[in-house]
Amino acid sequence: GAVVSQHPSRVICKSGTSVKIECRSLDFQATTMFWYRQFPKQSLMLMATSNEGSKATYEQGVEKDKFLINHASLTLSTLTVTSAHPEDSSFYICSARDLSWTNEKLFFGSGTQLSVL
Amino acid sequence: GENVEQHPSTLSVQEGDSAVIKCTYSDSASNYFPWYKQELGKGPQLIIDIRSNVGEKKDQRIAVTLNKTAKHFSLHITETQPEDSAVYFCAAESIQGAQKLVFGQGTRLTINP
Repeated sequence: GAVVSQHPSRVICKSGTSVKIECRSLDFQATTMFWYRQFPKQSLMLMATSNEGSKATYEQGVEKDKFLINHASLTLSTLTVTSAHPEDSSFYICSARDLSWTNEKLFFGSGTQLSVL
Repeated sequence: GENVEQHPSTLSVQEGDSAVIKCTYSDSASNYFPWYKQELGKGPQLIIDIRSNVGEKKDQRIAVTLNKTAKHFSLHITETQPEDSAVYFCAAESIQGAQKLVFGQGTRLTINP
């Protein structure tokens, strides 16, 4: 299947700092990428839909100014957690849709474990 | 919007036996149903998917069945192996808006040697 690369895999930061997470589609172009958040032993919750060349669409309850999304190219989307606080600690996962598959499959990155001290 | 319910939340089977995980969905307009396997600390991996114009799909030891009328679909794993131990998520795609996947709550599958 298609490969989605996500970096970093793990990050520890101090409260109040900002953290950037990158999501790249390695062997396909992705006009749309998705960012999810997953708490321990829970399901994936969609945070926002990242659209190449336009503003991201955020799910209800997700703060736009808190979670900045940039999708500047067809292979890269970034999520910046601004002024991180301990409650932002979570597993963040990106995904991208490979439209070359006839069934429009969605592939996921390996995730980023964010720990805010 | 779409709501996906997944059962059971945990499942333990003996190696070599079969495992079945079931999901129901609420939006009759959904037409794409993937299954993902997630290992600890990793992102979900697509293992099989099915579209609403198909009732069953099989890939080696893994199969998925779909009942559109009842709005439920199931994952079947036969001849289970220890490496099948993971958390499995079903999902349904709402065709409204940006075609967003809605996930079930997950099933923690443990294969006992």
